[in-house]
Amino acid sequence: GESVGLHLPTLSVQEGDNSIINCAYSNSASDYFIWYKQESGKGPQFIIDIRSNMDKRQGQRVTVLLNKTVKHLSLQIAATQPGDSAVYFCAESFDTGRRALTFGSGTRLQVQP
Amino acid sequence: ETGVTQTPRHLVMGMTNKKSLKCEQHLGHNAMYWYKQSAKKPLELMFVYSLEERVENNSVPSRFSPECPNSSHLFLHLHTLQPEDSALYLCASSQAGGDEQFFGPGTRLTVL
Repeated sequence: GESVGLHLPTLSVQEGDNSIINCAYSNSASDYFIWYKQESGKGPQFIIDIRSNMDKRQGQRVTVLLNKTVKHLSLQIAATQPGDSAVYFCAESFDTGRRALTFGSGTRLQVQP
Repeated sequence: ETGVTQTPRHLVMGMTNKKSLKCEQHLGHNAMYWYKQSAKKPLELMFVYSLEERVENNSVPSRFSPECPNSSHLFLHLHTLQPEDSALYLCASSQAGGDEQFFGPGTRLTVL
């Protein structure tokens, strides 16, 4: 039958483990990338961003890696906690003046206690 | 709280109704955005306002009509919607030309 909703890839991890969420982007001209976290009933919340002149950026418990050769972006979360359970979206932008974001379809992260 | 508020949080309307969604940002930004998040598609950009001018209309049907009276407020006027327009409508704001967008909590719209 018809699927009820968007089929999101799901990553299930144990509390305390590290999580890696991957994203393939489409536009080789994109120069800015951002990760958002969306919890149920809330709007997307900024996690971390990176510009195309970098290949790695670290925040608090999170690291973003950018591989422009294969157009791949990843988000690493260290010591994953139950509060990290959410849907994670990557987004890309390629026009400085416009800065409208193109979002990926998202990955659901489930943290098991 | 992100500094971006949206009202109402939930809205049920018939196909012949006219309603409006409201967004307000308290961050001193000068660019505002409407996105649609439906169950079957990724987040889709609808409209972009920069310095109160509409700079992008992403092929959105005319039954959706945005309005940006000043840099802090953004409206989305709805009329003669279809059931497939049921979705979560998200507002965001940023500095014009800036990178990070701050999102509101969204309005969950159901069209009967």
